[in-house]
Amino acid sequence: QITLKESGPALVKPTQTLTLTCTLSGFSISTSEVGVAWIRQPPGKTLEWLALIYWDDDKYYNPSLQSRLTVTKDTSKNQVVLTMTNMDPVDTATYYCVHRLMGRPLDSWGQGTLVTVSS
Amino acid sequence: DIQVTQSPSTLSASVGDRVTITCRASQSIVTWLAWFQVKPGNAPKLLIYKASNLQSGVPSRFSGSGSGTEFTLTISSLQPDDFATYYCQHYHNYPWTFGQGTRVESK
Repeated sequence: QITLKESGPALVKPTQTLTLTCTLSGFSISTSEVGVAWIRQPPGKTLEWLALIYWDDDKYYNPSLQSRLTVTKDTSKNQVVLTMTNMDPVDTATYYCVHRLMGRPLDSWGQGTLVTVSS
Repeated sequence: DIQVTQSPSTLSASVGDRVTITCRASQSIVTWLAWFQVKPGNAPKLLIYKASNLQSGVPSRFSGSGSGTEFTLTISSLQPDDFATYYCQHYHNYPWTFGQGTRVESK
């Protein structure tokens, strides 16, 4: 059974850097064609795709946020890490990590983690 | 970027009703479209992928159709568990984008 679990701070201050970790179970980030995406949803708003990393370390970013985002993987721990710099209150959202296979949809979502940006 | 626009934003319906939600893409996405159901406090759930393919475990009252720029999600007979918000999402190219959502509420 594929499961993903996000972890990280619930509260960050403006201008700080957010680091979120996604721990994977039931699959390996090293397996061919496997990808993990990050999606967020601000309160009352729609979903927004942030970044995607594949088993071969290929990476894709939302151009609107690319300068602030970095996605990496730790194959030894079977984890994916998202960092977002220069956090602002508008970045307050529930952040999800999601499994996909190349050419396939986002099929398994983590439970999400709410991050609030406030001084 | 390819934009996807959903309508309506809110839909009032009763149990047993046939419900249709529309998603329009700003350019052709062939059939690279998914539909998700979101309930408060829960992660999104994949319902339909590649425009018309039912995800495993999803009830058959859900169906999807369309290609190019026009897509629909249909619930053939609305059930109490179906009151939720529905989103379409294209995955034709990067950046992926989501529709603004359609909230299905009880009439």
